[in-house]
Amino acid sequence: QVQLVQSGAEMKKPGASVKISCKASGYTFTDYHLHWVRQAPGQGLEWMGIFNASGGGTNYAQKFQGRVTMTRDTSTSTVYMELRSLRYEDTAVYYCARVAVPGMAYFQHWGQGTLVTVSS
Amino acid sequence: EIVLTQSPGTLSLSPGERATLSCRASQSVVSRYLAWYQQKPGQAPRLLIYDASSRATGIPDRFSGSGSGTDFTLTISRLEPEDSAVYHCQQYGSSLWTFGQGTKVEIK
Repeated sequence: QVQLVQSGAEMKKPGASVKISCKASGYTFTDYHLHWVRQAPGQGLEWMGIFNASGGGTNYAQKFQGRVTMTRDTSTSTVYMELRSLRYEDTAVYYCARVAVPGMAYFQHWGQGTLVTVSS
Repeated sequence: EIVLTQSPGTLSLSPGERATLSCRASQSVVSRYLAWYQQKPGQAPRLLIYDASSRATGIPDRFSGSGSGTDFTLTISRLEPEDSAVYHCQQYGSSLWTFGQGTKVEIK
């Protein structure tokens, strides 16, 4: 079965960077794009961007352009999301997610989430 | 970017009652690109409805979706205690995905 397993919680200071991993299993890694979605405490879901696991291309939400980078390691079927210049408002749970079928636009599979806390 | 506005913010109903949740888009959304999710505390979202009105695998038939254009609705026909959660709508358009801010459903 499809599984997306994320790295553990992180605590960072303002201005630092964080890099979260999402290890995929149960399917052919390069057949699907992976998305990153975050959720600040008590807030709604916020789409951050999409990563093409096959070609390595990306499309980031405008809000995060210049601060986010998504990369992959095909040898371990892992996608990474790095967010730089962290601010207090970046405190959130970060999820990776995958659509059900290529070409579909809804998220069937989710990682367990990674809590990033930005605190001085 | 299409903005999704969900209402009400919180819905407090008794078991057996009907819940009607609204998701309004700032521009027209292609129906096959509108989805609804259920999220319980400490959990990742769970897909309920896709293509505006199709139930995902394993979702009880008391959940239904409808709508088109800029107005979409999630209906829970007979609330069960386990339906207490936050419900999110989501759309895709112009290579961007956006979510509404969520509606919290409380069971009295």
